[in-house]
Amino acid sequence: NAGVMQNPRHLVRRRGQEARLRCSPMKGHSHVYWYRQLPEEGLKFMVYLQKENIIDESGMPKERFSAEFPKEGPSILRIQQVVRGDSAAYFCASSPRQGQIQYFGAGTRLSVL
Amino acid sequence: GNSVTQMEGPVTLSEEAFLTINCTYTATGYPSLFWYVQYPGEGLQLLLKATKADDKGSNKGFEATYRKETTSFHLEKGSVQVSDSAVYFCALSGDDKIIFGKGTRLHILP
Repeated sequence: NAGVMQNPRHLVRRRGQEARLRCSPMKGHSHVYWYRQLPEEGLKFMVYLQKENIIDESGMPKERFSAEFPKEGPSILRIQQVVRGDSAAYFCASSPRQGQIQYFGAGTRLSVL
Repeated sequence: GNSVTQMEGPVTLSEEAFLTINCTYTATGYPSLFWYVQYPGEGLQLLLKATKADDKGSNKGFEATYRKETTSFHLEKGSVQVSDSAVYFCALSGDDKIIFGKGTRLHILP
């Protein structure tokens, strides 16, 4: 049973470009969570999604960031017009049901030049 | 709101030394508590968990006890190995999200 798969592992973007981060949850998991880890910091919650629904986006920046989890395919975290401050590791987690243990992917490390 | 505070690192120990990483929390209700470990260049792995007061979580020689009276969940290991070098995160479950401490980097010297 494959774990949570994130790609790419590393992503380099120039300021102003768009970044798309993908997350495929574990098989049988329909709940996806995105977290951001700034250098030397812990992980901070961004958004919680179920299939086709955003349940909690209280941790998402108000502008440039969006997330989706379509009926088919992976969850996508999209960052428009990236800035240097967006450089971080972005982790995805999944769980089979709300309130269950979350399993984490290996993360995508975004570097903005 | 809910929060987690853990001791700052880095922590450097010799192999076979005793390890304690302190963690305290602030929470409403009765959250579950976790320790996650992040090895270099990898994602987070759940190390152990406890879901109610006085529960002891254990795995790979690591232990932590959910202490409601002191709001603590300290991580301990009796004899560390070089392979335990990693960043350790204390965390609690809050509603739909996990709230993490800032992490403690552990270096084990051979």
